[in-house]
Amino acid sequence: AQSVTQPDIHITVSEGASLELRCNYSYGATPYLFWYVQSPGQGLQLLLKYFSGDTLVQGIKGFEAEFKRSQSSFNLRKPSVHWSDAAEYFCAVGARQNDYKLSFGAGTTVTVRA
Amino acid sequence: GAGVSQSPRYKVAKRGQDVALRCDPISGHVSLFWYQQALGQGPEFLTYFQNEAQLDKSGLPSDRFFAERPEGSVSTLKIQRTQQEDSAVYLCASRFTGEVYNEQFFGPGTRLTVL
Repeated sequence: AQSVTQPDIHITVSEGASLELRCNYSYGATPYLFWYVQSPGQGLQLLLKYFSGDTLVQGIKGFEAEFKRSQSSFNLRKPSVHWSDAAEYFCAVGARQNDYKLSFGAGTTVTVRA
Repeated sequence: GAGVSQSPRYKVAKRGQDVALRCDPISGHVSLFWYQQALGQGPEFLTYFQNEAQLDKSGLPSDRFFAERPEGSVSTLKIQRTQQEDSAVYLCASRFTGEVYNEQFFGPGTRLTVL
């Protein structure tokens, strides 16, 4: 079965600084990979997804992620953080044969300081 | 267009009570999912519907949990004889088709507290 590890529970970053959130997955083949953001009181919102092709994926709100098969990683990045990016971020993996089921990491909480 | 809605948003139950959580998916979405999100954790898959058919219920923690989607639209997650360990946020998501490359849209969740 697939699984996801997000090593960082909490990250604090200054507004305008760059952000990188780590995600490592465990799966025997090339998985489907997703990043979601959850703001307080809001549902999960999809930032970006990877299925195949170009390993650098662009998403909404200025986020991007890079799939690195050799490292089993799918790290999320943003060059310049805005205060509104303070939220909880979840990496998720889907297996290609059971393509309805997503496995989520435990999440990384991002705090943005002025 | 409205998103996925869930009701109630908050539910407090005494241990042993039965609860019913409702999910209204986006109109026309074939697939519907329920997830359980414990405090400080990511969502955990509970069950999956395609139209009215429950294709996977492998994530339901016990036989006290029951989900239905009788007409292929609204879904209800029922928990019987609630226990304190059932306290969590229950998320519903819907997807236009069965294909994974289509986005799952999540509702705001129902926060269940069992006293």
